Amino acid sequence: DTAVSQTPKYLVTQMGNDKSIKCEQNLGHDTMYWYKQDSKKFLKIMFSYNNKELIINETVPNRFSPKSPDKAHLNLHINSLELGDSAVYFCASSQVDGDTQYFGPGTRLTVL
Amino acid sequence: DQQVKQNSPSLSVQEGRISILNCDYTNSMFDYFLWYKKYPAEGPTFLISISSIKDKNEDGRFTVFLNKSAKHLSLHIVPSQPGDSAVYFCAASPLYSGGGADGLTFGKGTHLIIQP
Repeated sequence: DTAVSQTPKYLVTQMGNDKSIKCEQNLGHDTMYWYKQDSKKFLKIMFSYNNKELIINETVPNRFSPKSPDKAHLNLHINSLELGDSAVYFCASSQVDGDTQYFGPGTRLTVL
Repeated sequence: DQQVKQNSPSLSVQEGRISILNCDYTNSMFDYFLWYKKYPAEGPTFLISISSIKDKNEDGRFTVFLNKSAKHLSLHIVPSQPGDSAVYFCAASPLYSGGGADGLTFGKGTHLIIQP
């Protein structure tokens, strides 16, 4: 049983489109995260979210917005996609803030 | 400015020998350190962690050493096996981040290759 799952695994789209990536965790964790791994292979935090608050990395453009319909899901919405958004996006979750995080398999986004 | 550095992009080790992966950090607020293993086209998998109150944590073939004064940690794998070939990421965070504000800060990774 997959602990942290993401869909889709691959996403190819045109510049200017709006897209979403879904994330679900069945670990009963309180906090979920989105990371971006760029072409230089750096994994960087984009958002962290629990039922109390959303923390946004200040470098993330406001075209990116996380949406959490419930505790087990944190979806990533991206508006007006740009070429530089091409990357692998990882969702993760942890029991409490700062605890060990468990990652999803990643979504490779390609913007043409 | 990289707060977590893995200066070796790749490391080649013979099967059965010890693999030593190194990681340095600059942020004194980091209290909790983790190693993740990543295969191509998969997400990082948690391997082992250590908090700053310890200087060593062992789990089977994997041991993590922390030298807080030097701001350095290392992962030892012994004996190395072919299935250990992967990219290893060092990560750090304040143990109590008060809201998960910063998430984990990752190094760039070291590609470990185990040779038969």
